[in-house]
Amino acid sequence: GAGVSQSPSNKVTEKGKDVELRCDPISGHTALYWYRQSLGQGLEFLIYFQGNSAPDKSGLPSDRFSAERTGGSVSTLTIQRTQQEDSAVYLCASSLVDTGQGPYSSTDTQYFGPGTRLTVL
Amino acid sequence: AQKVTQAQTEISVVEKEDVTLDCVYETRDTTYYLFWYKQPPSGELVFLIRRNSFDEQNEISGRYSWNFQKSTSSFNFTITASQVVDSAVYFCALSNTNAGKSTFGDGTTLTVKP
Repeated sequence: GAGVSQSPSNKVTEKGKDVELRCDPISGHTALYWYRQSLGQGLEFLIYFQGNSAPDKSGLPSDRFSAERTGGSVSTLTIQRTQQEDSAVYLCASSLVDTGQGPYSSTDTQYFGPGTRLTVL
Repeated sequence: AQKVTQAQTEISVVEKEDVTLDCVYETRDTTYYLFWYKQPPSGELVFLIRRNSFDEQNEISGRYSWNFQKSTSSFNFTITASQVVDSAVYFCALSNTNAGKSTFGDGTTLTVKP
């Protein structure tokens, strides 16, 4: 079936502008995650949505960052007044609720989208 | 606080060699989950395995095997008879729940030369 999709794939913006990044999770997945990957670095957690629970925003680096998940499906990550240090690949992932199956279980594994490469000039 | 350390930044091997990627983690939780992901040059992260803290049994899947040792807080990943297609960045990750945020290591870049 269809995987996680993200748009746009690339975004170039000027410093100070706002940007919106979109994530379409796998249909039926209740959990959605946003991560950031700077060049040559590991993944940095940003925010996590699970069902109707309040999102875990503990990874958002500043109040310029916010995210919404409408109708339990599509999510939008918004960065206001972008700065050059915001340049990175922004990755979205989704997962099902865990049912405690074996080591290769797909039920709670995070499936990642292709990412949006954001460049702030 | 959780931490994942992948001490090997880059590894280069010749095709058909075996290679082990190290992962050492830190957590105060008694229940936690460990993951390995592969990020090929195309960029998209691919899930390889999940292991929960209650099960130290090692796993083998084809040419891939994982050695989980709680005593040393390690979850190492071995590729047997490596192939050029194995060239990628490999990430180890730790989560204290089945869902929720994961802490990722900085990744190990594996290059397999023909």
